[in-house]
Amino acid sequence: EVQLVESGGGLVQPGGSLRLSCAASGFTFSSSEMNWVRQAPGKGLEWVSYISTSGNTIYYRESVKGRFTISRDNAKNSLYLQMNSLTAEDTAVYYCARGYTTWGGFENWGQGTLVTVSS
Amino acid sequence: QSALTQPASVSGSPGQSITISCTGTSSDIGNYDLVSWYQQHPGKAPKVMIYEVTKRPSGVSNRFSGSKSGNTASLTISGLQAEDEADYYCCSYANTRNFWLFGGGTKLTVL
Repeated sequence: EVQLVESGGGLVQPGGSLRLSCAASGFTFSSSEMNWVRQAPGKGLEWVSYISTSGNTIYYRESVKGRFTISRDNAKNSLYLQMNSLTAEDTAVYYCARGYTTWGGFENWGQGTLVTVSS
Repeated sequence: QSALTQPASVSGSPGQSITISCTGTSSDIGNYDLVSWYQQHPGKAPKVMIYEVTKRPSGVSNRFSGSKSGNTASLTISGLQAEDEADYYCCSYANTRNFWLFGGGTKLTVL
């Protein structure tokens, strides 16, 4: 059974930092392209970042470029998102999502971890 | 680039069919056969129902089907059941600047 389990969310002050983790199991993580997708409270889904199987190719949405860093450790079957200079607009549930190799969608999702940016 | 456009809400009675539209542009939906649809129940993670416009993942009921015409994609649910009541989101690969765009979501109510 495919499992994606996020952790690391919490309450952080504006300007602060947080590191999210996603533990993967039930599939070959090293062969899977991974993403972070977020959802602000009561709002829709928003793609955040993508990382290729090797980690050599990385993409971000414009609003997080220069502040967020996606990474992975294939030996540990884990995905990460380092978030710096957080603002209230970053408040959301962050989901780890496995992408289809065709880029045709997101095949598996974790349960999400809530990040709240507030003073 | 703006999100894809979906109706805020749709409704139908048990057994009926409903269609949810998702309108984009020639830069996203119209340019790629990479549209997907997600079902999300309150407090739960999204679940893929359709990917690559028409493909249905293993385990998803064949009551769910997808299509695309020009810049608009559609999700059709036939034989509505109470358990189908949820929020539905469309998504399309856009380009190497915006990558994946989501629609604003459609709340489906089963009357």
